[in-house]
Amino acid sequence: EVQLVESGGDLVQPGGSLRLSCVVSGFIFSDFSMNWVRQAPGKGLEWISYISSTSSDIFYADAVKGRFTISRDNAKNSLFLQMHSLRVEDTAVYYCARDNAYLSFDYWGQGSLVTVSS
Amino acid sequence: EIVLTQSPGTLSLSPGERATLSCRASQSVSSNYFAWYQQKYGQAPRLLIYGTSNRATGIPDRFSGSGSTTDFTLTISRLEPEDFAVYYCQHYGGSPPWTFGQGTKVEIK
Repeated sequence: EVQLVESGGDLVQPGGSLRLSCVVSGFIFSDFSMNWVRQAPGKGLEWISYISSTSSDIFYADAVKGRFTISRDNAKNSLFLQMHSLRVEDTAVYYCARDNAYLSFDYWGQGSLVTVSS
Repeated sequence: EIVLTQSPGTLSLSPGERATLSCRASQSVSSNYFAWYQQKYGQAPRLLIYGTSNRATGIPDRFSGSGSTTDFTLTISRLEPEDFAVYYCQHYGGSPPWTFGQGTKVEIK
């Protein structure tokens, strides 16, 4: 069974940092690209970052470029999102999602809540 | 950036009725890389349709997708109680950003 489990969400002050993790199981992690997608309270879905299977290609949405860093550890079946200079508008549930190319984002984690507030 | 605009914002229907959800892209997108997701309250999104018209694993055949270029449609032939949710369209593949529509809520009338 494919599973993606995020962790690391927390309450943080504006300007602070946080690191999210996504541990996967049930598939060969090193075969797949991965994404982070977020959802602000009561709002829609927003793609924020992509990393290819070997980390050779990395992309960010403009809203997080220069502040967030995506990475992965294929040996540990883990995806990460390091977030710096957090803003109130970064408050959201953050999902990791498997990228299955033509099959799009076919599996998602349950999400991790990040709240940025003073 | 490709902007996806979904309509209507809310669809009020009864179980057994047909639901037609639309998604319009601000520029042409590849039909090979167009998807629909369902999200229920408090849950993660679930992939319904990929490549415009292909049902994901385990998705019942009352869900169907169609369209091309800039206009795409998700149809639910007969609404079941578990289908009342929010639906998002998405384009992916090619150059990022890979955007989502703002969502259509299908609610019980």
